[in-house]
Amino acid sequence: KQEVTQIPAALSVPEGENLVLNCSFTDSAIYNLQWFRQDPGKGLTSLLLIQSSQREQTSGRLNASLDKSSGRSTLYIAASQPGDSATYLCAVSNFGNEKLTFGTGTRLTIIP
Amino acid sequence: DTGVSQDPRHKITKRGQNVTFRCDPISEHNRLYWYRQTLGQGPEFLTYFQNEAQLEKSRLLSDRFSAERPKGSFSTLEIQRTEQGDSAMYLCASLLGAGGYTEAFFGQGTRLTVV
Repeated sequence: KQEVTQIPAALSVPEGENLVLNCSFTDSAIYNLQWFRQDPGKGLTSLLLIQSSQREQTSGRLNASLDKSSGRSTLYIAASQPGDSATYLCAVSNFGNEKLTFGTGTRLTIIP
Repeated sequence: DTGVSQDPRHKITKRGQNVTFRCDPISEHNRLYWYRQTLGQGPEFLTYFQNEAQLEKSRLLSDRFSAERPKGSFSTLEIQRTEQGDSAMYLCASLLGAGGYTEAFFGQGTRLTVV
């Protein structure tokens, strides 16, 4: 059974700093990994999708990496802004099955 | 807005009442998923449809829950005889692509509170 872990559960950093969020998963037979953002009381916004054959994806100030063999992904946020404050969730879909298994998220607070 | 739409956004109901939620997926997406998210947790899979066919149901989906997707368009999720443990955010996602190229797009969710 796939299990996804996100560490830390919460993170506070001053505005302008670069930061890294971590995600690990137990079964490396995945289709892909997605990073999502969730604002309080809201739905999920897809940030980046990394296919199992890819090593990284970039979108603006966000860069996500994937090391499938070790079961790890990182989300790098450059030059953080107060608007980046949210919960960040990673999710994997296992090979042959599109349903997502989620971590419990990292609650990020950017301090102005 | 051409994203995934869910209605209502919030629902407060008394224990024992029935509730129904609606999800309108992105029009060209043929796969639709329902997830449930409790406070401080990640979403958990409930069920999914390919077109109008319900292909998988989680063990989380007790017999008080039923989902439909008539004509492969919008979907409804009904909870009968609600219990306080049903309080959660119910999220709908529609999927684009196939295999490793599959990307999930989520709606804003329906927050259910059972009092």
